Amino acid sequence: AQSVAQPEDQVNVAEGNPLTVKCTYSVSGNPYLFWYVQYPNRGLQFLLKYITGDNLVKGSYGFEAEFNKSQTSFHLKKPSALVSDSALYFCAVRDAGNMLTFGGGTRLMVKP
Amino acid sequence: DSGVTQTPKHLITATGQRVTLRCSPRSGDLSVYWYQQSLDQGLQFLIQYYNGEERAKGNILERFSAQQFPDLHSELNLSSLELGDSALYFCASSVERVENSPLHFGNGTRLTVT
Repeated sequence: AQSVAQPEDQVNVAEGNPLTVKCTYSVSGNPYLFWYVQYPNRGLQFLLKYITGDNLVKGSYGFEAEFNKSQTSFHLKKPSALVSDSALYFCAVRDAGNMLTFGGGTRLMVKP
Repeated sequence: DSGVTQTPKHLITATGQRVTLRCSPRSGDLSVYWYQQSLDQGLQFLIQYYNGEERAKGNILERFSAQQFPDLHSELNLSSLELGDSALYFCASSVERVENSPLHFGNGTRLTVT
């Protein structure tokens, strides 16, 4: 069975500093990996995805993610954090059966 | 705006009651997914429909059921409600049954069972 782990419940970073939100996955076959962001009282918004190709994927709002097959990781990154980036971030993996499995979420707090 | 519409936004009801949550997918999307988000269990996949047919089932209780209608809107029915059913229920849609198609989420229905 596929699974996703987000080892940090919360990540704190100062505005202007780089941020990383960690994600590791387990899936049989080729992974289809996604990052979503959830703002308060809103649904999840798609940020970026990895299907195949370049290991560095660029997405919305300046976010990017690095796929590492040997470490089965798909960490979300941004070079310079904004206070408005504060939100709940979910990593997800999708298998050939088309089911999307989410990690437990990581709350990102960016302080001015 | 994701294009996915969920109604109602909020629902307060008593234990033992039955409610229906409604979802209209993005225009052109054939797949509809239902997820439950609770504080202690994160996002749990409930069920998926594709063009009116059930495609995948997750951790959906027997007291819950869903369907997708010919116009592609979907309803999630929750019966014999318990306090533990209080959660945010999200609907999502996607273009088709392909692995790399991202899901587009509605803003959810917040269910409170008292």
